[in-house]
Amino acid sequence: DGGITQSPKYLFRKEGQNVTLSCEQNLNHDAMYWYRQDPGQGLRLIYYSQIVNDFQKGDIAEGYSVSREKKESFPLTVTSAQKNPTAFYLCASRRDRDEKLFFGSGTQLSVL
Amino acid sequence: AQTVTQSQPEMSVQEAETVTLSCTYDTSENNYYLFWYKQPPSRQMILVIRQEAYKQQNATENRFSVNFQKAAKSFSLKISDSQLGDTAMYFCAFMRADMRFGAGTRLTVKP
Repeated sequence: DGGITQSPKYLFRKEGQNVTLSCEQNLNHDAMYWYRQDPGQGLRLIYYSQIVNDFQKGDIAEGYSVSREKKESFPLTVTSAQKNPTAFYLCASRRDRDEKLFFGSGTQLSVL
Repeated sequence: AQTVTQSQPEMSVQEAETVTLSCTYDTSENNYYLFWYKQPPSRQMILVIRQEAYKQQNATENRFSVNFQKAAKSFSLKISDSQLGDTAMYFCAFMRADMRFGAGTRLTVKP
């Protein structure tokens, strides 16, 4: 079945540690997105990529990094510079500008 | 950047009744897309309905319909015959190259 897979479902980070959240899609979508959601809040855009080897910062990119070496994959690294990383992270993709976003099931990141 | 505003943090409705969720947005673009997404307690994002800005006709999906007022930059969602399963967070979203979301409205359907 086609879809977006995020892993792991739960992730814990120690102080000063970088962690990477995985996002893989087999929908042949060009564009991919990362959002952060804090409890009871909306989704805020971290980074997005419209094509392989290219990506743009969203509203809250500080403390995060991404890569887009393959069309299917868009991993998000939460660096130690992100001082408040505890949140729910959602990955999404879409085919064309007029298509809806397809979402993964999310990763809950917590700080130990 | 485009902004999306949902002015109702929480709403409730009795089962089988109708409720309207409000959304306004700010943009200088003429061509764009608007969406309503539902997020139940599972936190999975589910598309409810979408609207192309160039279409004057309001979108409808079964019990869900929108009132799209382009000049007023307003995009409200009407849920008819509310069901218990409609209880969720509802997010309005605006799309051009990226998609921006409002802060959400928590809807509770009461039996």
